[in-house]
Amino acid sequence: DADVTQTPRNRITKTGKRIMLECSQTKGHDRMYWYRQDPGLGLRLIYYSFDVKDINKGEISDGYSVSRQAQAKFSLSLESAIPNQTALYFCATSDRDNQYGQPQHFGDGTRLSIL
Amino acid sequence: AQTVTQSQPEMSVQEAETVTLSCTYDTSESDYYLFWYKQPPSRQMILVIRQEAYKQQNATENRFSVNFQKAAKSFSLKISDSQLGDAAMYFCAYRSYSNYQLIWGAGTKLIIKP
Repeated sequence: DADVTQTPRNRITKTGKRIMLECSQTKGHDRMYWYRQDPGLGLRLIYYSFDVKDINKGEISDGYSVSRQAQAKFSLSLESAIPNQTALYFCATSDRDNQYGQPQHFGDGTRLSIL
Repeated sequence: AQTVTQSQPEMSVQEAETVTLSCTYDTSESDYYLFWYKQPPSRQMILVIRQEAYKQQNATENRFSVNFQKAAKSFSLKISDSQLGDAAMYFCAYRSYSNYQLIWGAGTKLIIKP
């Protein structure tokens, strides 16, 4: 089983709909992240959370909201979807740094298309 | 603000040969981490290799190695004995010591010719 699980894997929806993307992890990591990937732009951070009570905006948070329901669950919502939010969305987790910088571990992504 | 630049949108290499992917970054910080991630057509994002800026020795992971030039702010990835399974997008990413946010390059598409 995957350590970081995203649902759904693909989603097609219409403009104006509310969408929730879910992420769960079994790695026991405190830190969770949501990114979007657009062609030619790499990944951009939407929101991140260091624990259940700590949620922070990333580079492109407008139009998105998140909820950290538990240490293992972090969901991303689009309150009223618009076509330019069509993208590949990734959830990631990381452990706390020790003497090394801890890498982020990614789910398989959710491909979201908004018509 | 930190930035990461991958100047090669696409690279191709013959199977079994060696290829180097370039990455440069801009930062005023002295302590940071650098990563290379691979994204195959399956779209997973897979960690390839990482480097701590305080380490002078270049990181290696089997056929993958880096050339880390701190003064030049350069972090290239060398893939030796290229295999068909290496075909993917490769992303360079930067993370400061005190901030967990990753800053990503735009990626390089690597094509392996059989």
